[in-house]
Amino acid sequence: AQSVTQPDIHITVSEGASLELRCNYSYGATPYLFWYVQSPGQGLQLLLKYFSGDTLVQGIKGFEAEFKRSQSSFNLRKPSVHWSDAAEYFCAVGDTGRRALTFGSGTRLQVQP
Amino acid sequence: GAGVSQTPSNKVTEKGKYVELRCDPISGHTALYWYRQSLGQGPEFLIYFQGTGAADDSGLPNDRFFAVRPEGSVSTLKIQRTERGDSAVYLCASSAGQTHSPLHFGNGTRLTVT
Repeated sequence: AQSVTQPDIHITVSEGASLELRCNYSYGATPYLFWYVQSPGQGLQLLLKYFSGDTLVQGIKGFEAEFKRSQSSFNLRKPSVHWSDAAEYFCAVGDTGRRALTFGSGTRLQVQP
Repeated sequence: GAGVSQTPSNKVTEKGKYVELRCDPISGHTALYWYRQSLGQGPEFLIYFQGTGAADDSGLPNDRFFAVRPEGSVSTLKIQRTERGDSAVYLCASSAGQTHSPLHFGNGTRLTVT
């Protein structure tokens, strides 16, 4: 069965600093990988996805993520964080056979002024 | 355009009661999903509809949980004999028909069983 681990429950960064959120997955074949963001009072929103091809994917709001098969990782990055990025971030994995996604437990991002 | 709408936004019920949670997907989206999110956890898959039929209900925790989508649009998640452990935020999402099309989530229904 597939699984997702987000090792950091809570991260605090200063506004303008760079950000990296970690995600490790367990899946036998090439997975479908996603990052979603959940802001207070809002539904989950897709930031970016990886299906195949270029391992560095660009998303909305200036985010990017890199798929590293050798490390079973799909870390999310942003070069300069804005206060509005404070939210909870979820990594998710899907496979070719099922529509259901498996989500990690999330990383809560706080941004200090 | 309108996003995914879930009603009610909050529901408090007593242990043992029956509840229904409603989801209005984005118009034209053929796929509809229900997830459950407990405090401090990520969403957990419950059931997926393609059109009117439940294509994958493997995530439903037990037979107290049931969902329908009779006309291929609005869906209702039904929970019988609620238990305190059912307390969570129930999320609905819809997407276009292709595999792993982006999910569009509603804001969820927060269910509290007292």
